[in-house]
Amino acid sequence: QSVLTQPPSVSAAPGQMVTISCSGSYSNIGYNYISWYQQLPGTAPKLLIYQNDERPSGIPDRFSGSKSGTSATLGITGLQTGDEADYYCGTWDSSLYIWVFGGGTKLTVL
Amino acid sequence: EVQLLESGGGMVQPGGSLRLSCGASGFTFPTFDISWVRQAPGKGLEWVSVITSGHNTYYLDSVKGRFTISRDNSQNTVYLQMNSLRAEDTAVYYCVSRETPTSPDHWGQGTLVTVSS
Repeated sequence: QSVLTQPPSVSAAPGQMVTISCSGSYSNIGYNYISWYQQLPGTAPKLLIYQNDERPSGIPDRFSGSKSGTSATLGITGLQTGDEADYYCGTWDSSLYIWVFGGGTKLTVL
Repeated sequence: EVQLLESGGGMVQPGGSLRLSCGASGFTFPTFDISWVRQAPGKGLEWVSVITSGHNTYYLDSVKGRFTISRDNSQNTVYLQMNSLRAEDTAVYYCVSRETPTSPDHWGQGTLVTVSS
């Protein structure tokens, strides 16, 4: 059971938009910055979003992040087949003194 | 360019030991926190440990007393000494660097640890 809660899967058609939610508590999402990661099959996780809504250089603006209270959302617009991957949210938990992740969401682009 | 290279993975019997290394380049290593994150086959990400720039260390409960993280700033390397290994420690272990909570983090390509008899 992960500390952060994500839907196991989401799907949408190419060109459409999808959102992935991440729910936590005050000690993690509520108090700290959230990051989002994309993991393509057989590869290492790749940072998509940090500090709630910032994109590292090289990440297209089709990817966006937001946070409200103890929840966060990753948005992906203009879906491409290459976006099919597992997506994880992660943040520090100030009560547990550990870095926590969501269980991951598998994105299918139909 | 930030680069992190993990090494030291392999197959070990239950109760055995391994030492993972994470070699870093392309950034000011001493000012960065370095974490180990693992991923069991077919499972999600699980944080294992962190060593801060100030040499503070934190661990996942299930590895406390068995794993020890350390760093050698002269060699730009972080180590994870893993003792009393269990089957449930089987995973790909990733090294992750980050300077501050508002900075982007960087991940290595991972090293596979298999604990099996």
